[in-house]
Amino acid sequence: AQSVTQLDSQVPVFEEAPVELRCNYSSSVSVYLFWYVQYPNQGLQLLLKYLSGSTLVKGINGFEAEFNKSQTSFHLRKPSVHISDTAEYFCAVSDRGDMRFGAGTRLTVKP
Amino acid sequence: DGGITQSPKYLFRKEGQNVTLSCEQNLNHDAMYWYRQDPGQGLRLIYYSQIVNDFQKGDIAEGYSVSREKKESFPLTVTSAQKNPTAFYLCASTPRGRRNTEAFFGQGTRLTVV
Repeated sequence: AQSVTQLDSQVPVFEEAPVELRCNYSSSVSVYLFWYVQYPNQGLQLLLKYLSGSTLVKGINGFEAEFNKSQTSFHLRKPSVHISDTAEYFCAVSDRGDMRFGAGTRLTVKP
Repeated sequence: DGGITQSPKYLFRKEGQNVTLSCEQNLNHDAMYWYRQDPGQGLRLIYYSQIVNDFQKGDIAEGYSVSREKKESFPLTVTSAQKNPTAFYLCASTPRGRRNTEAFFGQGTRLTVV
C-alpha cells in the first residue's frame, strides 16, 4: 500500500512570510494527491487536489502545490500567510480505493 | 445542503463499556470510512465500506466493529477490547470507484474514557 510522509510536524512562521509544507508519497502507480486543512475540533476540508495535467495546482485561500513525479513529492506553498492560516495540514494519496494520510503538519502563524 | 453528520460531538465512556459513534451522509456516496486521529499520528484507517453490507478492515481495526445496513449510515462501535480508545474519530465518504474525488468529512467525535 502507498504511504505518505510529511517531513515537518510543526512549522512556525511569521505573518506575511512565505511557507512550504513538504509531502512525499511512495507509490509506483499513478496516484491522486490531495491537501486538506483541519481547524481545531473540526473535520478536514479540501484545499486542493492533483489529478492530472498541469503539475502546479492552485487551491483555496491562496495555497498552491506542485506535483513532482520524479521526486514523488507534492509540496504545499503559500507566498504570504495570515494568522487565520494557523491550522493542521494533511497530505493524502488515493490509490486503489482507499485514501491514506500523512501525519500532519501544524502550521502556526505568529504576528 | 448535502454533507456528513457525526454524533455526538463529545462522548465519554467508562472502562469496559461499548459505545457507538454515528455517521450519516446524504451525499449519495457509496464508500464510507472511519479514521482515528491521535496527536502526531495523523489519520489512521479503522474500517471502510465500498458498498452496503460489505466492509473491510483498515490498519487498526482491532477493538472496533462496524455495520453498513444502509447506504447513508456507517456506525462505528468501540468495544471494550479497544485498550486505548480516547481519540478523535472522523467519518468520511467518497463516490465508489472514484479515486480522483476528494473525501468529504464529518465534524468528528471526540471520545474520552473516564
